[in-house]
Amino acid sequence: GQNIDQPTEMTATEGAIVQINCTYQTSGFNGLFWYQQHAGEAPTFLSYNVLDGLEEKGRFSSFLSRSKGYSYLLLKELQMKDSASYLCAPMDSNYQLIWGAGTKLIIKP
Amino acid sequence: IAGITQAPTSQILAAGRRMTLRCTQDMRHNAMYWYRQDLGLGLRLIHYSNTAGTTGKGEVPDGYSVSRANTDDFPLTLASAVPSQTSVYFCASSREERGENTGELFFGEGSRLTVL
Repeated sequence: GQNIDQPTEMTATEGAIVQINCTYQTSGFNGLFWYQQHAGEAPTFLSYNVLDGLEEKGRFSSFLSRSKGYSYLLLKELQMKDSASYLCAPMDSNYQLIWGAGTKLIIKP
Repeated sequence: IAGITQAPTSQILAAGRRMTLRCTQDMRHNAMYWYRQDLGLGLRLIHYSNTAGTTGKGEVPDGYSVSRANTDDFPLTLASAVPSQTSVYFCASSREERGENTGELFFGEGSRLTVL
């Protein structure tokens, strides 16, 4: 079957660094996506990895290990506006995204 | 403003009633999707359409139907609403690159549906 695991909730301090992990099992694999969703809003695209390694985009980086079925999202220099849910979503062999329940990130001053 | 428009944004509905959620995009994306999002669960795909004139069933299609008469519109219909269909519904479309689906989804603002 298809399965996505990520922590339900994490807390971090403004200005710090936080790593959100995601493990996955899918039928086929065509890349892994991270989306950000603020409370009461729609998800928005953050990053995409299809090859192993780290993709850096400003304060956000995403890592992928296909052999381990593992990805993480790294957020640096945390700001209060980063308080949101972060959704891990691998793409399966049918090019459909399989969504995790999301990790709610709480940023404290 | 380019993007996806959903309507209504919120609706309370009596069980047994028929309801259509509207979705319109102006980005000329071929692929469109309907998801529901419930607390503690990931987004679950209801129906999708890879191009105008075609539709497919997702993970949780029962009780829902869709149509795709043209590229821009992708309405979702609940034929006879039940309380378990209380949820937030998101319509999305997918950006393409050189004709390939990139998986980068653009979402509407969501429709909050309560079935009593």
